[in-house]
Amino acid sequence: DTEVTQTPKHLVMGMTNKKSLKCEQHMGHRAMYWYKQKAKKPPELMFVYSYEKLSINESVPSRFSPECPNSSLLNLHLHALQPEDSALYLCASSPRAGTNEKLFFGSGTQLSVL
Amino acid sequence: GDSVTQMEGPVTLSEEAFLTINCTYTATGYPSLFWYVQYPGEGLQLLLKATKADDKGSNKGFEATYRKETTSFHLEKGSVQVSDSAVYFCALSDLGADKLIFGTGTRLQVFP
Repeated sequence: DTEVTQTPKHLVMGMTNKKSLKCEQHMGHRAMYWYKQKAKKPPELMFVYSYEKLSINESVPSRFSPECPNSSLLNLHLHALQPEDSALYLCASSPRAGTNEKLFFGSGTQLSVL
Repeated sequence: GDSVTQMEGPVTLSEEAFLTINCTYTATGYPSLFWYVQYPGEGLQLLLKATKADDKGSNKGFEATYRKETTSFHLEKGSVQVSDSAVYFCALSDLGADKLIFGTGTRLQVFP
């Protein structure tokens, strides 16, 4: 299994809603990542987890709250988002931190904030 | 800081034409270089990579050579197909770093 699975594929939420994005991999990877991709723009790194611990937060607003409950799962909890947060949210994993040459991306969650 | 510059698209080609997408980079160290492809509605897939100067990455008929002297990593394919239509991202990563730095992406449209 060489897949990174993200759910849901599409999500529409209001600015007062709370929702969560989920990411799962069963490749035994110990580093997991969240990237944000605005329309017609390149992906930008948000968070990195290494061995289930948050190792990088790229100054992301607190309305985005990541969680890594175990080595296979990565969540992104969303609360009080703004319309400008609408984007494709991509999860990725690699065998360990610092191995970008072995990075696998999921298909993403397309988020719309109304 | 490190950065990647890609040619603006879209690049529009007929099937079987030769493809070049230019990519240059700025980095203080000796980064690894990547090309990713993103098909409509999907995430990114690693197309090829090169980890040191003069390395050539290749996959599915695509090639790119890491040129340190010109700080370039241009993507080429000898004969494109309609199924190659996608957005192509050049990216770099410093050795041991977690962050991929992407270029702005180049949309390729191939017509029959």
